[in-house]
Formats: sequence, C-alpha cells, structure tokens
Amino acid sequence: DTGVSQDPRHKITKRGQNVTFRCDPISEHNRLYWYRQTLGQGPEFLTYFQNEAQLEKSRLLSDRFSAERPKGSFSTLEIQRTEQGDSAMYLCASSLEGDQPQHFGDGTRLSIL
Amino acid sequence: QKEVEQNSGPLSVPEGAIASLNCTYSDRGSQSFFWYRQYSGKSPELIMFIYSNGDKEDGRFTAQLNKASQYVSLLIRDSQPSDSATYLCAVNDDYKLSFGAGTTVTVRA
Repeated sequence: DTGVSQDPRHKITKRGQNVTFRCDPISEHNRLYWYRQTLGQGPEFLTYFQNEAQLEKSRLLSDRFSAERPKGSFSTLEIQRTEQGDSAMYLCASSLEGDQPQHFGDGTRLSIL
Repeated sequence: QKEVEQNSGPLSVPEGAIASLNCTYSDRGSQSFFWYRQYSGKSPELIMFIYSNGDKEDGRFTAQLNKASQYVSLLIRDSQPSDSATYLCAVNDDYKLSFGAGTTVTVRA
C-alpha cells in the first residue's frame, strides 16, 4: 500500500512566478486535502475534494490559488504570481470517507526569493 | 477553523519516563481526535486517533478523551530518544482538520 506522494519535494522560485504542485493520494481514498504549514505552526486547511468535486475552500485562500482533481485521482495546486508570504510547506493528505484518519504526504517546501 | 490549544512546551523528559501532552478544543460538537508526530523538516505522521470518551492504547502510546471537558491527551510511556519530535493535536472540523500549534518533546538520554 503506497502512501500519499507529492511532487516536487522542494521548489525555489522568484517572486511573481507561477508554481504548480502535484499530489497522488492513496489509491482507494476518496477524499483529498491540501494544507499549508509555516514554521512553528500546525498545518492550516486550504481546500478539499471528494472524488473530483472541490467541496470546501478556505477563506484564507486568495484568488491566486487554484486546485483541481480531474477524474478524482491526482490533484494539482497552482499558485499564481507568487509572493514572499507564500513560502511554506504545502501538505497533501487523503482519507477514506467520513471521519477516517488523514494520511499526509512528504510535502512540498516552497521558497520564494 | 475551530480552535485547538496545546500546552506550549517544549517538554523535556528523561529517557524511560512518561511524557504527557495536553490539548483542548473549542467546539463541543467535535467527534474525532487525532495525534500526529512530526520530526523536524518532515510531514505529520498519524500515531493515534480516538472517537469515544476514555482511553485508547497502542503500544507505548495512550490517548485519553474527555468530551465533557473538551480535552484530549497523549501519554508516551517509556520515552525513547526517537520520540523527540513535535506532537500535533488535530480535531475533525466538518471533515477537514483543525490543528494545534504543536508541543515539542525532547527525550534526554
């Protein structure tokens, strides 16, 4: 049983550039979540999908952020016109239905120069 | 997101001792509670989950839940240097998770 896979592990980019991250959930998991974590804080919810439907998006998520999960399989998170404040670890998690535990991938660490 | 508070730490315990971590949450309707371990620079790893009042044991870990007091705790028995990490408490909030800021534990050899 392979875990949640995220790519890339690290991304360094200049301010103003667009970046895209990919997440492959555990194969039988219907729910997929994106979180963001900065140093010294717990992960903060960004958005989640049940199959291909995006069911909730945090009010913290600006219009520069967009996420997709075509065909209910992998998901992508895109950040347009990156800003210094976007520097963080972006975590993807997946779970079965309902209140089942969420399992996290290794994360993508984004650094904005 | 719902509020989740953890004792701030850091918590330093000698090897072999019990480490006790506490967490309180704001929403009385919360039903599912999780403990994650996070090593420095790594992602959170699920170590325990609990849904019902009382104790749940798994190896050296025990989770305790008291919904009336809105309190969940994690005990680590026979602490080992490999237990040195940040422990995150998470509460299910309409399927997404609300996390505390974490408590950093250091186990002294």
